[in-house]
Amino acid sequence: GQQLNQSPQSMFIQEGEDVSMNCTSSSIFNTWLWYKQDPGEGPVLLIALYKAGELTSNGRLTAQFGITRKDSFLNISASIPSDVGIYFCAGPMDSNYQLIWGAGTKLIIKP
Amino acid sequence: DGGITQSPKYLFRKEGQNVTLSCEQNLNHDAMYWYRQDPGQGLRLIYYSQIVNDFQKGDIAEGYSVSREKKESFPLTVTSAQKNPTAFYLCASSILQVSNQPQHFGDGTRLSIL
Repeated sequence: GQQLNQSPQSMFIQEGEDVSMNCTSSSIFNTWLWYKQDPGEGPVLLIALYKAGELTSNGRLTAQFGITRKDSFLNISASIPSDVGIYFCAGPMDSNYQLIWGAGTKLIIKP
Repeated sequence: DGGITQSPKYLFRKEGQNVTLSCEQNLNHDAMYWYRQDPGQGLRLIYYSQIVNDFQKGDIAEGYSVSREKKESFPLTVTSAQKNPTAFYLCASSILQVSNQPQHFGDGTRLSIL
C-alpha cells in the first residue's frame, strides 16, 4: 500500500538556522500537502503542491514537489522559536478522498 | 469566521462508559474525518464521511462509532469496546468534489481514562 516516509524524525536546531526536511513515497502522488501542528492543537495547512517540479513559498517556508512525483521537500529559512512543532506531509490516496500521512518531523529549538 | 469546532477540549472516561466527541463545521464542506493521534505518532484515520447519512471505516474503526445526520456535524462515540481510548482526537473536513483538496482541522479533543 501507499506509505509516506518523513525524515528526519526530529531536529534540534539553533535559532536562526535553516531547516530542511523531506517526505518520500514508493508511489506517485499528484498532490503534496505540508502541515504544522503545535502542541495540543490541530494541524494547520502550510503549503499545498499540485504540480511536479512546483516550488511554492509561504513566508520563510518553501516547499517543492519532486520531479519524480515520489517526494517533496520543506525548507524553513532563519528559524525562530515559534517554528517549533511537528511538521507533517500528506497526500491523497488514488482511489478515494482519504489522505496518507507521514509520521512527522519534530522541530526543537536548542536553548 | 468559518471553521471546525471540536468539543470538549478535554474529556475523561470511566471504565465501561461510552463518550461522544463533538465536531461541527461551518465551511460547507461535504467530507468530514476523524483521526486518532498517539504521542509521537502520526494521524490514523478512524472514520470518514463523504455525504450525509453515509460513512466509511478507516484504518482503526474498531471500538468507535459515528453518525452523519447533518452536513455540519460528525460526532464520534468512543465505546466501551475501545480498550485503549487515551489519545488526542482530531476532526477534519474538506471539499469533496476535488480529490486533492486539503483537509482542515479542529483543535482536537484529548481523551483520558479515569
